[in-house]
Amino acid sequence: DILLTQSPSSLSASVGDRVSITCRASQRIANLLVWYQQRPGKAPKVLISGASSLQSGVPSRFSGSGSGTDFNLTISSLHPEDFATYFCQQGYSSPTTFGQGTRLEIK
Amino acid sequence: QVQLQESGPGLVKPSQTLSLTCNVSGGSVNTGSYYWSWIRQPAGQGLEWIGRVYISGQTTYNPSLTSRVSMSIDTSKNHFSLELTSVTAADSAVYYCARTVLGLFHMDVWGEGTTVTVSS
Repeated sequence: DILLTQSPSSLSASVGDRVSITCRASQRIANLLVWYQQRPGKAPKVLISGASSLQSGVPSRFSGSGSGTDFNLTISSLHPEDFATYFCQQGYSSPTTFGQGTRLEIK
Repeated sequence: QVQLQESGPGLVKPSQTLSLTCNVSGGSVNTGSYYWSWIRQPAGQGLEWIGRVYISGQTTYNPSLTSRVSMSIDTSKNHFSLELTSVTAADSAVYYCARTVLGLFHMDVWGEGTTVTVSS
């Protein structure tokens, strides 16, 4: 199975900050990387697919980059509703796997 | 817009079979553009993909669960289902159903999730 390692595991930031989360794959996965946001008690919501394609309705302050083994999710200016847990997922090979999550907390 | 809703028992006894159904509304499961997937999340932990079913009935399971899992799809009822046999406490989790986009493999529509506890 492809292992996805996210860093950091948790992050404290303030409204208006720019933050980045990294997802590293244990082998090359082309651009088949997805980012999700999960708020407490809710299902995950897809933000970005194909490493950098913003899903419809997702604010433009979210962006994704990377290819191969190293990927980033960046939030350019944090809004209060962005404090949540973020997961990456690879769709390159079965079984699809997820990163362990990055919890973004208010400082 | 398409909505998914999981249903099934919230409590299952050890060694028994967990059975869940995902009802699809606002759209049809009878489309070749998507897989229909199950994912679970133990309390306070990460996400684990269980498997997926296609409109043809073709299934793909996580190798870690393949000996105990079965999925099916029913176009007449517009739903798909999950069975997990011989459950233990380690199978306690929130179970989600989700629509998975062919080719890109991202899950673009999720159910709200249902909590299943394995306990005697």
